[in-house]
Amino acid sequence: EAQVTQNPRYLITVTGKKLTVTCSQNMNHEYMSWYRQDPGLGLRQIYYSMNVEVTDKGDVPEGYKVSRKEKRNFPLILESPSPNQTSLYFCASSLGTGSVSGELFFGEGSRLTVL
Amino acid sequence: GENVEQHPSTLSVQEGDSAVIKCTYSDSASNYFPWYKQELGKRPQLIIDIRSNVGEKKDQRIAVTLNKTAKHFSLHITETQPEDSAVYFCAASTGLTGNQFYFGTGTSLTVIP
Repeated sequence: EAQVTQNPRYLITVTGKKLTVTCSQNMNHEYMSWYRQDPGLGLRQIYYSMNVEVTDKGDVPEGYKVSRKEKRNFPLILESPSPNQTSLYFCASSLGTGSVSGELFFGEGSRLTVL
Repeated sequence: GENVEQHPSTLSVQEGDSAVIKCTYSDSASNYFPWYKQELGKRPQLIIDIRSNVGEKKDQRIAVTLNKTAKHFSLHITETQPEDSAVYFCAASTGLTGNQFYFGTGTSLTVIP
């Protein structure tokens, strides 16, 4: 089954404790990206990657890191989480450059709470 | 960067009526405009999209129109049904498949049976 898988789905952590949210897709997509969803603010792009070893900042990259060492994986790293990073996070992938479809396939979301 | 504004933030319609959601964008370089539907507790899913070389696109009860000159695009849902109740997001992007995506703040649509 074609899917984007995020882990963990739910996490409560404390300020300053490094954490990683994993994202994996099995559709051989070139493009992957991370979003955070906050009430009244919609979805905001954190980082995106056009292909392996290519990453770029989105609209709200501060406090986050990403890496793309393999095509299927795109982890989101919070080196020192703060309460303002409490949010619902979505990973998404799409076929990539040259494709006729720009559809983003979203993971199920990861709800993160930073105390 | 791009700024996408979406209105209204909430919309209630009677079953069978039409619903219209409007978005404006600021960057004339944006050329791809998708609409996503997010049901409660679920992930966003694409329902329709349009590219800047097209003025209108329809898929059954859903249509999207784009006015490049005015920099606005709209989602039209006809013959609404209770299962259309959800939050709808518009988005704008540059590039064929999108590099940076800018989403609107969402419209919560309620279809009253």
